[in-house]
Amino acid sequence: GDSVTQMEGPVTLSEEAFLTINCTYTATGYPSLFWYVQYPGEGLQLLLKATKADDKGSNKGFEATYRKETTSFHLEKGSVQVSDSAVYFCASRGYNKLIFGAGTRLAVHP
Amino acid sequence: SQTIHQWPATLVQPVGSPLSLECTVEGTSNPNLYWYRQAAGRGLQLLFYSVGIGQISSEVPQNLSASRPQDRQFILSSKKLLLSDSGFYLCAWKKDRDYGYTFGSGTRLTVV
Repeated sequence: GDSVTQMEGPVTLSEEAFLTINCTYTATGYPSLFWYVQYPGEGLQLLLKATKADDKGSNKGFEATYRKETTSFHLEKGSVQVSDSAVYFCASRGYNKLIFGAGTRLAVHP
Repeated sequence: SQTIHQWPATLVQPVGSPLSLECTVEGTSNPNLYWYRQAAGRGLQLLFYSVGIGQISSEVPQNLSASRPQDRQFILSSKKLLLSDSGFYLCAWKKDRDYGYTFGSGTRLTVV
């Protein structure tokens, strides 16, 4: 069945460091792909999305490109801030449902 | 504008007690509705989804159940809670052809 695999955390970075969180998916066809963010004590918020191959989703300085050839949707940010500390979830849209990865906790220190 | 409400925000229940979590959506009609659970240190697991009133699809066999008595109301229930039911429960909705899911703020359930 469809699945999403993302790198295990926690990821600990200093402020202004470069961030990459890897995500790969398995699916029949070409699903829409998403990154969601969960700040401490809160629900999930959509961070960015891409609906077809080679699309680049971007928001708040974060980017991810839908790579069909490598079935990947890695999240990147050039310069992280302390306020980016959160759990990040990669997700794939299957039939009538979102399938999530296990989540990657990011901690950014000043 | 559309909003989604979940309550309560936190809940502590003894083992063997019943459970009822409610989720309602405002500002839209005939949404697809979802219940997810996030266990401590783990990812999000889809529990149930519904594409219409009275239509429930179960993803994982367990002692939980879901109901959709009204178009914009989705209820998660249990007759007898287990310790393993502890976790963070999230309700979500989307329109049938939309890409994005909107999540509620979640209910943190602790079974003691």
